[in-house]
Amino acid sequence: QKEVEQNSGPLSVPEGAIASLNCTYSDRGSQSFFWYRQYSGKSPELIMSIYSNGDKEDGRFTAQLNKASQYVSLLIRDSQPSDSATYLCAVNMWDQAGTALIFGKGTTLSVSS
Amino acid sequence: DGGITQSPKYLFRKEGQNVTLSCEQNLNHDAMYWYRQDPGQGLRLIYYSQIVNDFQKGDIAEGYSVSREKKESFPLTVTSAQKNPTAFYLCASRNLTGTGVNGYTFGSGTRLTVV
Repeated sequence: QKEVEQNSGPLSVPEGAIASLNCTYSDRGSQSFFWYRQYSGKSPELIMSIYSNGDKEDGRFTAQLNKASQYVSLLIRDSQPSDSATYLCAVNMWDQAGTALIFGKGTTLSVSS
Repeated sequence: DGGITQSPKYLFRKEGQNVTLSCEQNLNHDAMYWYRQDPGQGLRLIYYSQIVNDFQKGDIAEGYSVSREKKESFPLTVTSAQKNPTAFYLCASRNLTGTGVNGYTFGSGTRLTVV
């Protein structure tokens, strides 16, 4: 069974704090991992991708990957009210027919000013 | 500008009717995908296609059908067999060539309501 698990939240943090979002996945063979941000009623937008163990930083965002633990996380530093959204973790998984992204249910982040 | 176009943005359907959602991309992407999203839920995979004239079932294909006659187009038909079709439908595409695995580009979505 291909599964991606996230805490649904809501995760509430004050403006300027660090928000930490977590994700676990079932397929040990997965190699590619993505974080999407989705505002209510809109389509998801890609904010980070990570392929290797360790950290990947892009501005205020840091993605962390630990393949041995099957764990991916997203840190948002200096959180802003505009960061309030649902964050979707997605993992590329293969089956006999091909490859597709499997999404978690998303974590809702609320940043208060 | 390149992108994915989904139409219509809002669609209302009577129970028992089939309806087709359009998805067109001009990104020259190989693969196209259809997802369904219900309130408070993540995206669930309906169908995907990696090459023209070939497509694969996702996790919730029952009650849906697709075609891939052109690389640019991947329409989704919601049939009367789909018991609960009211949802937000998202189309996505990506390139399968090159190194690594790319993320998706998403369309803006179609919100289908059964009345």
